[in-house]
Amino acid sequence: EVRLVQSGAEVKKSGESLKISCQGSGVNYWIGWVRQKPGKGLEWMGMIYPGDSDTRYNPSFRGQVTISADKSTNTAYLQWNTLKAADTATYYCVRQSPSAPMDPWGQGTLVTVSS
Amino acid sequence: QPVLTQPPSLSGAPGQRVTISCTGGSSNIGAGSDVNWYQQLPGAAPTLLIRADSIRPSGVPDRFSGSKSGTSASLAITGLQADDEADYYCQSYDRGLSVSVFGTGTKLTVL
Repeated sequence: EVRLVQSGAEVKKSGESLKISCQGSGVNYWIGWVRQKPGKGLEWMGMIYPGDSDTRYNPSFRGQVTISADKSTNTAYLQWNTLKAADTATYYCVRQSPSAPMDPWGQGTLVTVSS
Repeated sequence: QPVLTQPPSLSGAPGQRVTISCTGGSSNIGAGSDVNWYQQLPGAAPTLLIRADSIRPSGVPDRFSGSKSGTSASLAITGLQADDEADYYCQSYDRGLSVSVFGTGTKLTVL
């Protein structure tokens, strides 16, 4: 059974950088990222195949974040160079492939950015 | 950015049946992309409820069922229970933009 474990909650200031992680058990699957702003719905950000770092972005998030991976630990990362208050959200990682369901989900990482 | 449209909220009494609709377009549901449904209980991460339009993953009660027709899909919940109170999201794949898309979400209240 695949399990995804995410890094802990973060509190940052506007303008700072941040990298959060998601480590998956097992290998050979895509890991995606989903954003949920407080009280709002789910938004798919993109996904990566840690085996070869093939990455797909939602055009709405391209250039705003960077998705990367470490093949040796089957870990995916989500990175911001310059955080904004609007990045405040819970970020979930998910196992998925381009047209397959998202399952399972990580426990979520709450990112709070103060201005 | 394509999005799937759901009713913002629904309510029902215990034991009743409710149906949540999910309306897409010709580049996602209408193009034959699978529809998946997720349940998000308060304060928790979403979990997969229905995959590939109508398949229940192991452990999901048969009170939950999914269907699809044309550019829309539906999630039906029969025998409503108090712990069904949650947010429900549909999700599909948009073949035009090559992105996964979610529904706008439906908050289900059990009266």
